[in-house]
Amino acid sequence: NAGVTQTPKFQVLKTGQSMTLQCAQDMNHNSMYWYRQDPGMGLRLIYYSASEGTTDKGEVPNGYNVSRLNKREFSLRLESAAPSQTSVYFCASSARDSEYFGPGTRLLVL
Amino acid sequence: AQSVTQLGSHVSVSEGALVLLRCNYSSSVPPYLFWYVQYPNQGLQLLLKYTSAATLVKGINGFEAEFKKSETSFHLTKPSAHMSDAAEYFCAVSANFGNEKLTFGTGTRLTIIP
Repeated sequence: NAGVTQTPKFQVLKTGQSMTLQCAQDMNHNSMYWYRQDPGMGLRLIYYSASEGTTDKGEVPNGYNVSRLNKREFSLRLESAAPSQTSVYFCASSARDSEYFGPGTRLLVL
Repeated sequence: AQSVTQLGSHVSVSEGALVLLRCNYSSSVPPYLFWYVQYPNQGLQLLLKYTSAATLVKGINGFEAEFKKSETSFHLTKPSAHMSDAAEYFCAVSANFGNEKLTFGTGTRLTIIP
């Protein structure tokens, strides 16, 4: 039981490049989330998915797209990366009791 | 809409002293409240949660928090700090239990002085 896994752990992009952050959970949770963490700002919700096949915008969705591929996987895509997207990205999944977080992906956009 | 405010971005306490991390919430509906801990270069781990069952909530690692509706507060405490408690702590609020879209505070970094 690995919980929530994220790949890659670290990535450097140039402005304008695209990439997809992968997230998978093996806890059979319906809900999954993508957050970004920036110094002094806590975690902010980018997108979430209440169930397979559904996605909704969170607080800071601009510049991102998501795909809920199946119940296990929820990916986050940056189509054209910008320096403002330099951040640490966390994926999470939840059952009725709490959210479980992955280890994070550190993204640097130059 | 829900929000939380964490008072003090940095808190330092001596080893063995009381830990008190402050969190005030704003919510238009009865809130569900959470405390998470983040150790360096790791994800967030749930410490405890309030879901209206009991106002005093006990969590892992000796932490507890008390929900006070009159003060709109959910402060985190631990009677005796350990060196291993050094981390960043986040308070969060949700309007729905079971489909949490958490709104996080800005975090409090706890330093333990030997």
